[in-house]
Amino acid sequence: QVQLQESGPGLVKPSQTLSLTCTVSGGSISSGNYYWSWIRQHPEKGLEWIGCIYNSGSTYYNPSLESRVTISVDTSKNQFSLKLSSVTAADTAVYYCAREPELWGQGTLVTVSS
Amino acid sequence: DIQMTQSPSSLSASVGDRVTITCRASQDIDYFLNWYQQKPGKAPKLLVSDASNLETGVPSRFSGSGSGTDFTFTISSLQPEDIATYYCQQYDNLPWTFGQGTKVEVK
Repeated sequence: QVQLQESGPGLVKPSQTLSLTCTVSGGSISSGNYYWSWIRQHPEKGLEWIGCIYNSGSTYYNPSLESRVTISVDTSKNQFSLKLSSVTAADTAVYYCAREPELWGQGTLVTVSS
Repeated sequence: DIQMTQSPSSLSASVGDRVTITCRASQDIDYFLNWYQQKPGKAPKLLVSDASNLETGVPSRFSGSGSGTDFTFTISSLQPEDIATYYCQQYDNLPWTFGQGTKVEVK
């Protein structure tokens, strides 16, 4: 069955760019009309929807993060990625990739600290 | 953005109790609402989609109802394994937005 797995650095310095990749296995990222999303969860807090990529390239970002977020897809690698620029400690969170709504990765903790 | 207001933020109930969580949308979202269960250290798990459609394999003690702006999620008989935080999410309009969550504990 289709599975998602996040990967990327667990520690990012302030002002740098956070980069995460979600690898999709068991199915093609190009098949179907799905929304491939990134969601984050600050420690002991609720869920924050970051953005998504769909229709093989269209994107939509949460307006609160839009100026710093880029989501892209690499169909040859069956992956999609998140870049969040100019990070601060407030971006410390568990980041999830998902094929919304029913398939989620296990999540990866990213800490922003010098 | 559509705001989702979930209540209560936490509750404590006994095994066997009926538990009800409500979610209110800031505008009409028809039936485009999901309910998730999240256990500590785990990703959210989809329990109910389209406001009332129980996902395959989800126990029948879970149910959802509502449309428009007001929605309800019910556990008919609380079990120890239901200890978790529950979230609603609207997917009528991007950006999709979540409620604040309801932490369910057992007395």
